[in-house]
Amino acid sequence: AQSVTQPDIHITVSEGASLELRCNYSYGATPYLFWYVQSPGQGLQLLLKYFSGDTLVQGIKGFEAEFKRSQSSFNLRKPSVHWSDAAEYFCAVGLIKAAGNKLTFGGGTRVLVKP
Amino acid sequence: DTGVSQNPRHKITKRGQNVTFRCDPISEHNRLYWYRQTLGQGPEFLTYFQNEAQLEKSRLLSDRFSAERPKGSFSTLEIQRTEQGDSAMYLCASSRDRGESTDTQYFGPGTRLTVL
Repeated sequence: AQSVTQPDIHITVSEGASLELRCNYSYGATPYLFWYVQSPGQGLQLLLKYFSGDTLVQGIKGFEAEFKRSQSSFNLRKPSVHWSDAAEYFCAVGLIKAAGNKLTFGGGTRVLVKP
Repeated sequence: DTGVSQNPRHKITKRGQNVTFRCDPISEHNRLYWYRQTLGQGPEFLTYFQNEAQLEKSRLLSDRFSAERPKGSFSTLEIQRTEQGDSAMYLCASSRDRGESTDTQYFGPGTRLTVL
């Protein structure tokens, strides 16, 4: 069965500093990978996705992620964090349509931004 | 796109009562998903629909849970005889089958259920 691990439960970063959130997955087939962000009490907003092709993908709000098949990782990065980036971030693996297309999420990483 | 909408946003109920949530997907999205998110956890898949057909249900979806999508548009999720363990955020997502190998799911704001 597929699984997603986000090793860091909390990360605190200063405003203007860089941010990297780790995501490792386990899946027997070609992974389809997503990063979502959730503000308190809100639903999930899609930041970016990887289906195929270039392993470095750009998303909204200045985020990017790199797919590394050899490491089974899909880490999220942002060069300079803004206070509005304080939120919880979820990595997810999507199955191919034939297998139901459901998403399996990691446990999330909560990001706190210091002024 | 107006986005996925969910109602109500919050629901407080007493143990043993029935509750029903509604999800309106993005128009023209033929797939609709329900997830449950408990405090401090990532969302967990419950069930999904392709048009009006319910194609998969998770083992998390006990007999007390039922979901419908009668005309392939909005969906309802009903929980009968609620238990305190049902307290969670219930998230709905929708996607459009574009013939690609997988879809991108767009989420609504969720319904937060509290069972007293």
